[in-house]
Amino acid sequence: RKEVEQDPGPFNVPEGATVAFNCTYSNSASQSFFWYRQDCRKEPKLLMSVYSSGNEDGRFTAQLNRASQYISLLIRDSKLSDSATYLCVAKGGGSYIPTFGRGTSLIVHP
Amino acid sequence: GAGVSQSPSNKVTEKGKDVELRCDPISGHTALYWYRQRLGQGLEFLIYFQGNSAPDKSGLPSDRFSAERTGESVSTLTIQRTQQEDSAVYLCASSPSSSYNEQFFGPGTRLTVL
Repeated sequence: RKEVEQDPGPFNVPEGATVAFNCTYSNSASQSFFWYRQDCRKEPKLLMSVYSSGNEDGRFTAQLNRASQYISLLIRDSKLSDSATYLCVAKGGGSYIPTFGRGTSLIVHP
Repeated sequence: GAGVSQSPSNKVTEKGKDVELRCDPISGHTALYWYRQRLGQGLEFLIYFQGNSAPDKSGLPSDRFSAERTGESVSTLTIQRTQQEDSAVYLCASSPSSSYNEQFFGPGTRLTVL
């Protein structure tokens, strides 16, 4: 199964900061992309899908660059409650099995 | 409505024992996935069910691992002759169908093999 690569971090940022994560995927046939959030000792939950045109949900912006095969997540005005691990996911390319990255850890401090 | 449930939430066993982990997906969800997550690691795909059949078992790490699903509902993951390296959180997820994008995860079973 093809890989999804992420910088594990941790990214340690103060409240109010803007932080960005990137993720690369190796299967060029992947069709769907997502960001999941996983809190410590909890299950992953869908944060947002990633569309080719880019999409925004409040303080969160996701972008997809198919040519370079990377996905990004931008978080503006970071909150303490944003502290979590962010998992990048790619799906498609002949498989129904989503491929999860190892996650990027974000720590937002006062 | 009810989400995905898993039982037990925690399981401590001795090396060499068999364990059975249960997943109850969201009602009506035909796709069901099992993952393993070791401490500080990412999600490792184990097996996928579409209905009661398992078209992809490629992630099962050894023949000590098996899974079944009955009635397009509950699934059980069985680990025989457990080893210490089997210690991990076992996560189950379901989706309305295999082509549906979002996966809904259960809280996981934390397995510790002594």
